[in-house]
Amino acid sequence: NAGVTQTPKFQVLKTGQSMTLQCAQDMNHNSMYWYRQDPGMGLRLIYYSASEGTTDKGEVPNGYNVSRLNKREFSLRLESAAPSQTSVYFCASSEGLGQGANEQFFGPGTRLTVL
Amino acid sequence: QKEVEQNSGPLSVPEGAIASLNCTYSDRGSQSFFWYRQYSGKSPELIMFIYSNGDKEDGRFTAQLNKASQYVSLLIRDSQPSDSATYLCAATTGGFKTIFGAGTRLFVKA
Repeated sequence: NAGVTQTPKFQVLKTGQSMTLQCAQDMNHNSMYWYRQDPGMGLRLIYYSASEGTTDKGEVPNGYNVSRLNKREFSLRLESAAPSQTSVYFCASSEGLGQGANEQFFGPGTRLTVL
Repeated sequence: QKEVEQNSGPLSVPEGAIASLNCTYSDRGSQSFFWYRQYSGKSPELIMFIYSNGDKEDGRFTAQLNKASQYVSLLIRDSQPSDSATYLCAATTGGFKTIFGAGTRLFVKA
């Protein structure tokens, strides 16, 4: 099993450009998450999908959109990138079936730089 | 604003010693607590989770939870240089939103 995979691993954008970060998991998990990690600030939740067909905002959703394409895939889109979105982006998944099932497994991350 | 607070460190311990990592959380509704280890440039990996008050042991790791004090800790016994990493504490409240602390950097000196 590959676990959680993310593409691309690195990306450089110019301000105003758009891009989509892809995430897939092969653990048959119900819930998926997108986080960003900035120095000294820990992981901050951008959006999550509790189950296929649902998405909800996290702590820092502005400037992002998501799509839960199917049970395996959850993508994150930046419509008009800004330098403040320079960060490392992690996708994660969990079983998500009720309390106590939120142990999250993380992908390798995408390092995004916006110039 | 729901928060999870950790001392950023670095915490430095000699090889073979016990490393004690601490975390406090502000939301009394938090129900699940997690410790993740993150090596530099890598993704977080789950070490332990705890839901009930008291201690939970797994090998060299012991997680401790005190809901009355809103306090979670992680003890690492017989610390090894390979334990040197950033340790993230996280709390989940009644659903799917997990709040992470900023992490504590641990250095284990050989």
